[in-house]
Amino acid sequence: EVQLVESGGGLIQPGGSLRLSCAASGFTVSRNYMSWVRQAPGKGLEWVSVIYGGLGTYYADSVKGRFTISRDSSENTLYLQMNSLSAEDTAVYYCARLLPARGIYPPFDYWGQGTLVTVSS
Amino acid sequence: SYELTQPPSVSVAPGETARIACGGNNIGTKSVHWYQQKPGQAPVLVVYDDSDRPSGIPERFSGSNSGNTATLTISRVEAGDEADYYCQMWDSSSDVVFGGGTKLTVL
Repeated sequence: EVQLVESGGGLIQPGGSLRLSCAASGFTVSRNYMSWVRQAPGKGLEWVSVIYGGLGTYYADSVKGRFTISRDSSENTLYLQMNSLSAEDTAVYYCARLLPARGIYPPFDYWGQGTLVTVSS
Repeated sequence: SYELTQPPSVSVAPGETARIACGGNNIGTKSVHWYQQKPGQAPVLVVYDDSDRPSGIPERFSGSNSGNTATLTISRVEAGDEADYYCQMWDSSSDVVFGGGTKLTVL
């Protein structure tokens, strides 16, 4: 059974850093395309970042230069390093797997339960 | 950047058909995916590649895409279908776009 479990969220001051983790089971992270999607309180979904099998990484303009997506094959875990955080980054952060073998425009087929990041002084 | 436009809300009586639109320039040339999100829960994929259904999703959920509008259709709506629905596509191989979401209310 595929499962994604995020952790690492919490309250952080503006300008601070945080690293989110997403532990996967039931499949191999390094063999799949993985992504982070966030949702500000009461708002819609916003894509954050994607990592491809060849380690290609892409970011939304709103986080480019501040966030870094990565993965650890030995831990079967996806990460999101977040630096220079501001109030606008306050959101529930979801990790999601992209449906395998669906070309270059796949949907997100499995999602974690999310972890809340609150940026406030 | 590409934008997807959804109506903020759609209301329908139980047993009726709900249609949720997702507008975008020539969206009919793109693959559109749809997600259902209930309060406090993670999104769930309900339709992908315009009209395919993941296993476990009822046949009542269907999709279409043509011209400038993609549509999620929910037939024989049930109280349990009340949720927010989001359309999504890839603007390029490196840019994901979500619609603003539509709140489906079952009267």
